[in-house]
Amino acid sequence: GAVVSQHPSRVICKSGTSVKIECRSLDFQATTMFWYRQFPKQSLMLMATSNEGSKATYEQGVEKDKFLINHASLTLSTLTVTSAHPEDSSFYICSARDGRTYEQYFGPGTRLTVT
Amino acid sequence: KQEVTQIPAALSVPEGENLVLNCSFTDSAIYNLQWFRQDPGKGLTSLLLIQSSQREQTSGRLNASLDKSSGRSTLYIAASQPGDSATYLCAVNRNTDKLIFGTGTRLQVFP
Repeated sequence: GAVVSQHPSRVICKSGTSVKIECRSLDFQATTMFWYRQFPKQSLMLMATSNEGSKATYEQGVEKDKFLINHASLTLSTLTVTSAHPEDSSFYICSARDGRTYEQYFGPGTRLTVT
Repeated sequence: KQEVTQIPAALSVPEGENLVLNCSFTDSAIYNLQWFRQDPGKGLTSLLLIQSSQREQTSGRLNASLDKSSGRSTLYIAASQPGDSATYLCAVNRNTDKLIFGTGTRLQVFP
């Protein structure tokens, strides 16, 4: 089956620093990737849609200057949390959409803790 | 605006029981519907995907049905096992666009 990886799986950073999270589709090409965040015991909330070679589309209420998304190739998208604050602490999950079936495959998630 | 609701929010059952998890959505104009499983602190594992033209999909002990006109889907788990304990999420895909997730059902199967 299709595999999506995320790196790192867990990161702790100090308030004010920036953190980059990578999302890779390992055995298929993904023209579209999605970034979600999930707070404890809550469902996934879509943050932005990342399209290869173009600007990301952000959901309402998500600051594009704070959550920078780059989708430079068909297998890699990155999310950079800039000037992180404790309220940015969350579980960030990416998904990659198979261009043939439109099924989404999810990464294992990245636990971000901002101290 | 599409809203997806799952009932029950939590379920605790003894091993061996057959289970039905419910998912309802307000806008029937969907492209497909997916059921996922999420273990604590982990990402999502896709269980079943039902295209809008399909009525059901089966994989092992899992069976998912879709009634698009009434905005409902059910996930049936046969002969539940402790290893089935997880949160189950349904999500609808509108016209190959983004997934809208339901609120989830936390399932615990005890020996």
